[in-house]
Amino acid sequence: DADVTQTPRNRITKTGKRIMLECSQTKGHDRMYWYRQDPGLGLRLIYYSFDVKDINKGEISDGYSVSRQAQAKFSLSLESAIPNQTALYFCATSGGADEKLFFGSGTQLSVL
Amino acid sequence: DAKTTQPPSMDCAEGRAANLPCNHSTISGNEYVYWYRQIHSQGPQYIIHGLKNNETNEMASLIITEDRKSSTLILPHATLRDTAVYYCIVRVYVGSARQLTFGSGTQLTVLP
Repeated sequence: DADVTQTPRNRITKTGKRIMLECSQTKGHDRMYWYRQDPGLGLRLIYYSFDVKDINKGEISDGYSVSRQAQAKFSLSLESAIPNQTALYFCATSGGADEKLFFGSGTQLSVL
Repeated sequence: DAKTTQPPSMDCAEGRAANLPCNHSTISGNEYVYWYRQIHSQGPQYIIHGLKNNETNEMASLIITEDRKSSTLILPHATLRDTAVYYCIVRVYVGSARQLTFGSGTQLTVLP
């Protein structure tokens, strides 16, 4: 089983809909992250969390919100989806002194 | 904050060494350099990281210049499966904490 699991793998939704992307991890890491990737570009940080009570905005947090329900779960919500939020979304975790990132398989989101 | 500069693309013949350069001239003295790679649209995969000494693991070697302003990732015997986008990254401030942010990376194509 994957250490970092994202659901769903693919999602198509309509403009204005609320949508939630979920991430769970079995690595026991405290730190979790949401990144967004647009075609041909690198990853941009949306939100990050150091523990259940610590949530921080990343580079591009507008239009997104997050919830850290437990150490192992970190969900990303789009309150009112818009077409330019069509992208590949990655969840990641890190822990330990070296702070290596471990990524999920990604969620491809399309907003029509 | 430290940023990195990488060539957008490189080719390498199968079986030969692939040498991927990275400039990080504004890196601070206690910052690590990390390398990740992304195959197709999969989640990025950690390769190696280092501070000032050269590092080697089962995947690659990392050569960091003495002034720490640049580094080179070496894949000693590239295979077709090494075709990927390679990211050289350092931590930059996002809000109040330093986080790993990904630029566009280098598209390495291993040719048969």
